[in-house]
Amino acid sequence: EDQVTQSPEALRLQEGESSSLNCSYTVSGLRGLFWYRQDPGKGPEFLFTLYSAGEEKEKERLKATLTKKESFLHITAPKPEDSATYLCAVQSGTGNQFYFGTGTSLTVIP
Amino acid sequence: GAGVSQSPSNKVTEKGKDVELRCDPISGHTALYWYRQSLGQGLEFLIYFQGNSAPDKSGLPSDRFSAERTGGSVSTLTIQRTQQEDSAVYLCASTPGLVSIHEQFFGPGTRLTVL
Repeated sequence: EDQVTQSPEALRLQEGESSSLNCSYTVSGLRGLFWYRQDPGKGPEFLFTLYSAGEEKEKERLKATLTKKESFLHITAPKPEDSATYLCAVQSGTGNQFYFGTGTSLTVIP
Repeated sequence: GAGVSQSPSNKVTEKGKDVELRCDPISGHTALYWYRQSLGQGLEFLIYFQGNSAPDKSGLPSDRFSAERTGGSVSTLTIQRTQQEDSAVYLCASTPGLVSIHEQFFGPGTRLTVL
């Protein structure tokens, strides 16, 4: 069964303190791995899609990487406005569904 | 252009009542998904529509849940005889379709509270 596990559940960082969020997955033929950001009371907002192991994508202070078993979302020198819940999702080659992890709640303290 | 919209944004209902939740996807998007997000839980897939194909209903938790999509655009999720465990945020997402892998575009959600 396709499965996504995110860690840690919650992360508190000082402004400027870099860190990484983890997304481990098991899937029958990965079509794509997606990272989303979700602010309180809003729907998830797309950040990145990764398709194959070794792929990396960057956007401002965020960098996403992918291996055959996991993905990392690296946050460099975070700012308070980066505080949000970060969700990881995978789409397998066997169906239409996207499987989401439970997210990492990030708080960046000024 | 306009994003995915959902209505109502909040719905409070009494146990046993029926509710309808509406989703307007991005114009031209052929695929539409419904999810349920409970406190502390990940997004739970409910149902998927793609064009005129039969919907994938494999995620619907019980026969009290149903959804339809009219004219390949607007979708309505109906929950009959609501229970307290149905309380959650219901999210709708659309994508351009299956031609290539696409990220999902989400609406703001409907927060359902069953008293």
